Amino acid sequence: QLQLQESGPGLVKPSETLSLTCTVSGGSISSSSYYWGWIRQPPGKGLEWIGSIYYSGSTYYNPSLRSRITISVDSSKNQFSLKLSSVTAADTAVYYCARHVWGPLNWFDPWGQGTLVTVSS
Amino acid sequence: DIQLTQSPSFLSASVGDRVTITCRASQGISSYLAWYQQKPGKAPQLLIYSASTLQSGVPSRFSGRGSGTEFALTISSLQPEDFATYYCQQLNSYPFTFGPGTKVDIK
Repeated sequence: QLQLQESGPGLVKPSETLSLTCTVSGGSISSSSYYWGWIRQPPGKGLEWIGSIYYSGSTYYNPSLRSRITISVDSSKNQFSLKLSSVTAADTAVYYCARHVWGPLNWFDPWGQGTLVTVSS
Repeated sequence: DIQLTQSPSFLSASVGDRVTITCRASQGISSYLAWYQQKPGKAPQLLIYSASTLQSGVPSRFSGRGSGTEFALTISSLQPEDFATYYCQQLNSYPFTFGPGTKVDIK
């Protein structure tokens, strides 16, 4: 059974870079037809898709965050990562990673449990 | 970006009730819509993709319909474990966007 697990610091200072890693177990990150995505949810608010990456490194980013985000993949470790630069309090959120089933049809399943990142000095 | 609206924002219902949540897109998205269920403190879980295809393992009391700009998620007989927040997501074009959510609460 495929499982995803987010990891990284729970507290980041304003103007610094948020860095998270998602470790995939129970399946290969190099599987075809799958991208791997990041989604976030500010406390008490809705969901925002951040971006997705293929094992080859091909990416799709949300234009609203494009200037600040980098998503990368390490197939040897079965991991993919998110970096978000110049963070502010508005970036405080639960960050989820998920498998992005990609093709004519798309959907996100399964999701990791999520990790809360707080931006505060 | 394609905007999604959901109605109602909040719904109070009883066990056994038939419940319908609607999702409207700001432009046509064919059938490229998914529905997720989120319980407090948990990650969203996929219920339906391609507007009407039930994800494996999801109870048959959940159903989805629609295409273009109008979509609906129906729970035929609400169960205690169904009290949660439901989100629609459009996957027609990037950036993928979510609706604001519908919270289903116990009456």
